[in-house]
Amino acid sequence: EVQLVDSGGGLVQPGGSLRLSCAASGFTFSSYWMNWARQAPGKGLEWVANINQDGSEKYYVDSVKGRFTISRDNAKNSLYLQMNTLRVEDTAVYYCARDHAFDIWGQGTMVTVSS
Amino acid sequence: SYELTQPPSVSVSPGQTARITCSGDALPKQYAYWYQQKPGQAPVLVINKDSERPSGIPERFSGSSSGTTVTLTISGVQAEDEADYYCQSADSSGTYRVFGGGTKLTVL
Repeated sequence: EVQLVDSGGGLVQPGGSLRLSCAASGFTFSSYWMNWARQAPGKGLEWVANINQDGSEKYYVDSVKGRFTISRDNAKNSLYLQMNTLRVEDTAVYYCARDHAFDIWGQGTMVTVSS
Repeated sequence: SYELTQPPSVSVSPGQTARITCSGDALPKQYAYWYQQKPGQAPVLVINKDSERPSGIPERFSGSSSGTTVTLTISGVQAEDEADYYCQSADSSGTYRVFGGGTKLTVL
């Protein structure tokens, strides 16, 4: 079964850090661009970052540039999002998703930034 | 930054046709994708590359493109189609992805 499983969310204070993980199975992970997207409570979807197949290209939405880092380990079939200097407005459910089509989504992991 | 514009809400009666639009300057050059999201669930791709229907998506879902607007059409709407719908595409360079603001479909 083609599947993505998100993990690593939790409660963190403003200015803190968190690392999200996404475990892929059922497909050739190393053949696909991968994305992180997020959804704040009661709001719409927002693309956060993506990374190409070998990790040589990475792109970010302006609001997270310099604070978030996307990475991948093709040997472990895993995608990561290192989030530093977190802000209250980063509070959201974070999803990993496959390809430019976002054709497969993880179940999401909740990140709450609050003091 | 690049934006995709959707109407906030659309309402239809069961059996009618719902049309949800998405407008953006780069849509003539970049594919659009459509997602259905029900409360508490992850989004599901319902239209790929403007008009392709992924496996498992009912035939009543279709997509079309004309200039700077793409349209998701749901023919013979059913109660189970009530959900939020989002379009997604890229800026003119193809580098940055963007989602529309979402449209809440209400089945009366």
